[in-house]
Amino acid sequence: GAGVSQTPSNKVTEKGKYVELRCDPISGHTALYWYRQSLGQGPEFLIYFQGTGAADDSGLPNDRFFAVRPEGSVSTLKIQRTERGDSAVYLCASSESGDMNTEAFFGQGTRLTVV
Amino acid sequence: GDSVTQMEGPVTLSEEAFLTINCTYTATGYPSLFWYVQYPGEGLQLLLKATKADDKGSNKGFEATYRKETTSFHLEKGSVQVSDSAVYFCAPNTGNQFYFGTGTSLTVIP
Repeated sequence: GAGVSQTPSNKVTEKGKYVELRCDPISGHTALYWYRQSLGQGPEFLIYFQGTGAADDSGLPNDRFFAVRPEGSVSTLKIQRTERGDSAVYLCASSESGDMNTEAFFGQGTRLTVV
Repeated sequence: GDSVTQMEGPVTLSEEAFLTINCTYTATGYPSLFWYVQYPGEGLQLLLKATKADDKGSNKGFEATYRKETTSFHLEKGSVQVSDSAVYFCAPNTGNQFYFGTGTSLTVIP
């Protein structure tokens, strides 16, 4: 079956612009995660959705970052007034239940470059 | 807060050598423990997991044992292959998120 799909795969934007990154999770998965990975680092947690609600948004770095999942399926990560430091690979993952014993399946990521 | 410390890389081994990648964690609760792997040009994928103390996870010849007393989950393989070249991430999960280590890059040379 289809895995986690992220679009676009690459995004180049100018400093100060607004960007949206999309994630299509595996069908039926209730849990969805966003992570950010900088070069040479491990993925850094941003936000976790259980269904439509953000169960944990403690990783969002500041109020320029926002994510939604209005119908409990597709999610969009939104970044306002982008800065060069936002450049990274943004990863989305989904899992069947969000139970801590359950594997999360990751997408290929969106590489965001802010110039 | 919860965190994970992973053996620094990069690691270079000859084919058929023994591999150990150390991982220790700090957690307020009782986490499940995962190893994820990222092959060149591919996304993160689960390698193995263990959900309670003394459990051993295994896959593709890799093993790791959940050691609660030492809060560790070291990854081992008895005989590595060129195809094992990848970045390996230790990742405890205590509920709402996976805590990833910095990753250990492994290169296996023929």
